[in-house]
Amino acid sequence: QVQLVESGGGLVKPGGSLRLSCAASGFTFSDNYMNWIRQAPGKGLEWVSYISSGGHNIYYADSVKGRFTISRDNAKNSLYLQMNSLRAEDTAVYYCARDSTVYYGMDVWGQGTTVTVSS
Amino acid sequence: EIVLTQSPGTLSLSPGERATLSCRASQSVSSRYLAWYQQKPGQAPRLLIHGASSRATGIPDRFSGSGSGTDFTLTISRLEPEDFGVYYCHQYGSLPPWTFGQGTKVEIK
Repeated sequence: QVQLVESGGGLVKPGGSLRLSCAASGFTFSDNYMNWIRQAPGKGLEWVSYISSGGHNIYYADSVKGRFTISRDNAKNSLYLQMNSLRAEDTAVYYCARDSTVYYGMDVWGQGTTVTVSS
Repeated sequence: EIVLTQSPGTLSLSPGERATLSCRASQSVSSRYLAWYQQKPGQAPRLLIHGASSRATGIPDRFSGSGSGTDFTLTISRLEPEDFGVYYCHQYGSLPPWTFGQGTKVEIK
């Protein structure tokens, strides 16, 4: 079935780095634009980053620009988020989400991976 | 940046009642770029509505969306027990950042 599975979350000290992965299955990954969305504890959803199907168009929220890097490997059906210079305010559940190919909306989400930035 | 403001913050209703959730944008949003998501505790969000009024695959017809410009509405015609959770509107315009509303919690009265 169509599925996204995130991994790579954990506890990291301020200033540290972490790389999140999102493994896609059950669909043609290379057809879809992809996003990372995060949710701080007890808070709402925040869009973090977007990458086009071929990886040529990339966007970031201002809050992570210059620190986070999104990438994808279509041969491995995988999406990544390299997070550097992490701050306490980056603590959140990070979701990868697929853009529908037929309308504007994120129609498939992973279960999320938790990132905690604390000393 | 387009700011989405949802109201009310919390809606306390009984099963069978009608729920009306509002989402107001700080500037006009094309209807094709407005979506609604449902999130239950401990779960990922689920797409309910895209294009302001089109139900996503598998979404029951008690969910409906409407609106244009800066004012959008999600209506749940008759609440079922499984409908309780937090609902977010989301604008996915031509340029980032793409933003979410702060959410409306629908809770059991």
